Amino acid sequence: DIQMTQSPASLSASLGETVTIECRASEDIYNGLAWYQQKPGKSPQLLIYNANSLHTGVPSRFSGSGSGTQYSLKINSLQSEDVASYFCQQYYDYWTFGGGTKLELK
Amino acid sequence: QVQLKESGPGLVQPSRTLSLTCTVSGFSLTSYGVNWVRQPPGKGLEWIAAIWSGGSTDYNSALKSRLSISRDTSKSQVLLKMNSLQTEDTAMYFCARSPLTGDYFDYWGQGVMVTVSS
Repeated sequence: DIQMTQSPASLSASLGETVTIECRASEDIYNGLAWYQQKPGKSPQLLIYNANSLHTGVPSRFSGSGSGTQYSLKINSLQSEDVASYFCQQYYDYWTFGGGTKLELK
Repeated sequence: QVQLKESGPGLVQPSRTLSLTCTVSGFSLTSYGVNWVRQPPGKGLEWIAAIWSGGSTDYNSALKSRLSISRDTSKSQVLLKMNSLQTEDTAMYFCARSPLTGDYFDYWGQGVMVTVSS
């Protein structure tokens, strides 16, 4: 099974700051990587798929990059509505999620 | 618009069987795949099972012996059964759609909380 290691587990940032979350796969997942945002009490929402494609309706301050085993999610100009947990997911070989990153405002 | 809605019993006794239903609208089960994902309180996400447009199925290898996923296309419903429930199966259970263009999950239901307790 492919393991996904996500870092950091928690993150505190200020409004307007740029934030980066990392995800490492235990083997090459050939860009089969998605990022989800989950607000408290809500279901996850798709942000990024195929490592760097922005899902419909997602603000352009979100972006994804990476290849092979290393991937990242970047949030430019952090907004208050971005406070949430973020999860990566590999779908190259079945489906596994990273442990999540809880993003809070400083 | 695309919608998924989970329903289930809420509380299940240990060792019993859980039955969950995902009712979809805005798309056809014969054109899209549907997955089940769970999340224990305060923890991360775990993929459980999937049923695809052609009716084929996939299961999490760690749970496979306890699972059954099926569908009723006339009712636009996907059914998940999990037997031999234990307290560690307590979680929010979500269903989520896979789009035509990939195996990620583009739409999710609101989830249903399942508590395993006597």
